[in-house]
Amino acid sequence: SYVLTQPPSLSVAPGKTARISCGGITFGSKTVHWYQQKPGQAPVLVIYYETARPSGIPERFSGSSSGNTATLTITRVEAGDEADYFCQVWLDGSDLWVFGGGTKLTVL
Amino acid sequence: QEQLVQSGAAVKKPGASVKVSCKTSGFTFTGFQIHWVRQAPGQGLEWMGWINPNSGGTNSAEKFRGRVTMTRDTSTTTAYMELHRLISDDAAVYYCARNRHDYGQAFDVWGQGTMVTVSS
Repeated sequence: SYVLTQPPSLSVAPGKTARISCGGITFGSKTVHWYQQKPGQAPVLVIYYETARPSGIPERFSGSSSGNTATLTITRVEAGDEADYFCQVWLDGSDLWVFGGGTKLTVL
Repeated sequence: QEQLVQSGAAVKKPGASVKVSCKTSGFTFTGFQIHWVRQAPGQGLEWMGWINPNSGGTNSAEKFRGRVTMTRDTSTTTAYMELHRLISDDAAVYYCARNRHDYGQAFDVWGQGTMVTVSS
């Protein structure tokens, strides 16, 4: 089965840069997406197609990948960025969707 | 504006079925797949499956095949997910989400979630 591996937690001071990894990505896959979920709320799409930002998402949020790992980068971290972040891929060969286990971002 | 509004919380006994609705508005219902995702308390997101509102075609994760039924009513632009033979591990918040084909199959609009409690 296809497994996406994320670190369970990450702590970053305000104003610093947070980098959240997602391992297990099929090399060359572009259908990698990232969601932010705050407590008691539904997830919000912050990055799609590995690097694209939906309208309304700040430029501080960016995505990249290298080899089998995708990375969500949040620059100039703010208190309001504290949330759980999930990566997701679409497996086009089997038409299935898979989520990573999620990373809890704490802003110190 | 584009919106998905789900039905309210449900409490069910083990062995029963639960049916969650997802009322859509602000976009062409038959133009987008509707997906279902669940989240157990304190856990991550788990993809369950999708329905194509245009054709009624569905696909689901292997874990749920034979136990989940996804349907739609085009006259009311509402999608439904019914989970049968509930067990305690099915207690979760269930979300519907709109799939954007042009976003690489990402989910750009989500419902507010429906909490399902399974208790005898």
